[in-house]
Amino acid sequence: EVQLVESGGDLLPPGGSLRLSCAASGFIFSSYWMHWVRQAPGEGLVWVSRIKGDGTSPTSADSVRGRFTISRDNAKSTLFLQMNSLRIEDTAVYYCARGSGISGENYDWHFDLWGRGTLVTVSS
Amino acid sequence: DIVMTQSPDSLAESLGERATINCKSSQSVLHSSNNKNYLAWYQQKPGQPPKVLIYWASTRESGVPDRFSGSGSGTDFTLTISSLQAEDVAFYYCQQYYSLPRTFGQGTKVEIK
Repeated sequence: EVQLVESGGDLLPPGGSLRLSCAASGFIFSSYWMHWVRQAPGEGLVWVSRIKGDGTSPTSADSVRGRFTISRDNAKSTLFLQMNSLRIEDTAVYYCARGSGISGENYDWHFDLWGRGTLVTVSS
Repeated sequence: DIVMTQSPDSLAESLGERATINCKSSQSVLHSSNNKNYLAWYQQKPGQPPKVLIYWASTRESGVPDRFSGSGSGTDFTLTISSLQAEDVAFYYCQQYYSLPRTFGQGTKVEIK
């Protein structure tokens, strides 16, 4: 079955660190750009970060740049998001999402596959 | 950044009626190299992740009922549900994938009247 399963969400204080994982199955993981998208409680969708299929070209939103790092392990078909210096406003459900298109040809289009998300709560 | 603005924020229509959601981008998402609009629509039901309905502004994802259709070009887009069903109650988001950062509209809540 083609799916993405996130894990690692937790409750932690401001300034803390956390690593999220997203396990992929049912498709050739290394062929796709992968993204993280977050959704604060009761709010809309916000793009966080993306990485190319070969693990290069990581890019993040201004709001998390310098604090969050996206990476991947293609041998284990797993996407990661290392989150440091967490703030209260980082509280959200974090989804991993697959970019449709062809990573090898640098095509990264709409999000055609989503995980169910993992909740990160930052609170004192 | 490309700002995506949806209207209305919420709507309620009777079963079987037409529902229309608009999305406007702050700059064109029409790519001149392939004449495609880099615009997608997603549906999100409570407690679930988003699901793509429409991409390239008007291409329906496999398995999506044909009562969902997308139209528009450049900066102005529309998602239409031709005959609203109970299972269509959800939030709907437009999103541009023309450039980084990827940006979404604020969402439109669709309910049954």
